[in-house]
Amino acid sequence: DAMVIQNPRYQVTQFGKPVTLSCSQTLNHNVMYWYQQKSSQAPKLLFHYYDKDFNNEADTPDNFQSRRPNTSFCFLDIRSPGLGDAAMYLCATSRAGFSEQFFGPGTRLTVL
Amino acid sequence: SQQGEEDPQALSIQEGENATMNCSYKTSINNLQWYRQNSGRGLVHLILIRSNEREKHSGRLRVTLDTSKKSSSLLITASRAADTASYFCATDNAGNMLTFGGGTRLMVKP
Repeated sequence: DAMVIQNPRYQVTQFGKPVTLSCSQTLNHNVMYWYQQKSSQAPKLLFHYYDKDFNNEADTPDNFQSRRPNTSFCFLDIRSPGLGDAAMYLCATSRAGFSEQFFGPGTRLTVL
Repeated sequence: SQQGEEDPQALSIQEGENATMNCSYKTSINNLQWYRQNSGRGLVHLILIRSNEREKHSGRLRVTLDTSKKSSSLLITASRAADTASYFCATDNAGNMLTFGGGTRLMVKP
């Protein structure tokens, strides 16, 4: 089945220790998104890629970076995680021109 | 900033009852979507209603949209315990980017 896969599902890191979350998709969608979702809150868009074009939200902290080496994969790098970065990180995809998004299961990040 | 506000924030009903959730938004939209999120999981798209539509059905789901009031409602009929989840509205304002509301946590008791 075509899907969006996120690894790992649970990630524990130490304060200040860089961490990378990964997302892959078999849907062949042009657009990929990273969202941060804190407990009982709405998902908040961090950035998105339209093919290789990177689009950063204005209020996304510099601590967050992203890479998309090819259509299928996208990575979220958190350079120096703080306690406030503990959250669920959701990857999503969509076809160009369509706003319906397909989400992965998420990676829950814990910062100790 | 959040585009949509959802009401109620939490809803608890008995199996078989109907559940209604409301969403209000601030700016003009291309479409409005509803998503479901089971605890600790990703979001699943439920239904999309375009700005020129007033009502849409999908199985046990009924969505209405009132663009003059900038509001939408999601009705789940004959609820089941498996409908227990958080439900989010999301607005597409332009360029297919979505802005999510705060969500309604629905609990359906068997």
